[in-house]
Amino acid sequence: EIVLTQSPGTLSLSPGERATLSCRASQSVSSSYLAWYQQKPGQAPRLLIYGASSRATGIPDRFSGSGSGTDFTLTISRLEPEDFAVYYCQQYGSSPPRLTFGGGTKVEIK
Amino acid sequence: QVQLQESGPGLVKPSETLSLTCAVSGYSISSGYYWGWIRQPPGKGLEWIGSIYHSGSTYYNPSLKSRVTISVDTSKNQFSLKLSSVTAADTAVYYCAKDLGYCSGGSCYSGAVDIWGQGTMVTVSS
Repeated sequence: EIVLTQSPGTLSLSPGERATLSCRASQSVSSSYLAWYQQKPGQAPRLLIYGASSRATGIPDRFSGSGSGTDFTLTISRLEPEDFAVYYCQQYGSSPPRLTFGGGTKVEIK
Repeated sequence: QVQLQESGPGLVKPSETLSLTCAVSGYSISSGYYWGWIRQPPGKGLEWIGSIYHSGSTYYNPSLKSRVTISVDTSKNQFSLKLSSVTAADTAVYYCAKDLGYCSGGSCYSGAVDIWGQGTMVTVSS
């Protein structure tokens, strides 16, 4: 079973700043089957990135994903007020199927 | 536009069975993909419960497998979750979700979750 560790737990930044979130896997993630989600209070998560670096439909280009193997990064180039939220990484592509989530990183206003 | 809507009791007594249904609109479950359940205890992270393929094949989180049943009703275009012998630890927001997983060549694979229901809060309490 792959374990995903996200860091930092909380990131305190100001609007306009760059956010860099990390997701580390306990073993290599095949074919970069790594997704990122954004969750705002009281809402369901929303898919941002899949395949480690592909933006989902309608996601602004200030969101970008990178990485491979065991180390993955979500970057928000310039934080907008609506970007302050909790972000989760998720590994998929396993057989038999199972979904594994990281513990989340909260991006809060400094 | 695919939409998912959870329904079911918001309060369940300890030791009883939690039952939820997810109605799917805008897409026929029979056409493919995985359909699953994910939960989130208050103030905590996301936990995958299990998924069902449109053909009926099911996959469960090993930590919950002994208590979980997921089924699909293609005639009503909906799928359901049953979680037995619940305790306070099962109190959570329960989301139904569309998983972009697939089966090919005799093997099945999980996918990213592109559509989520709004979630329904279930409290386990006497």
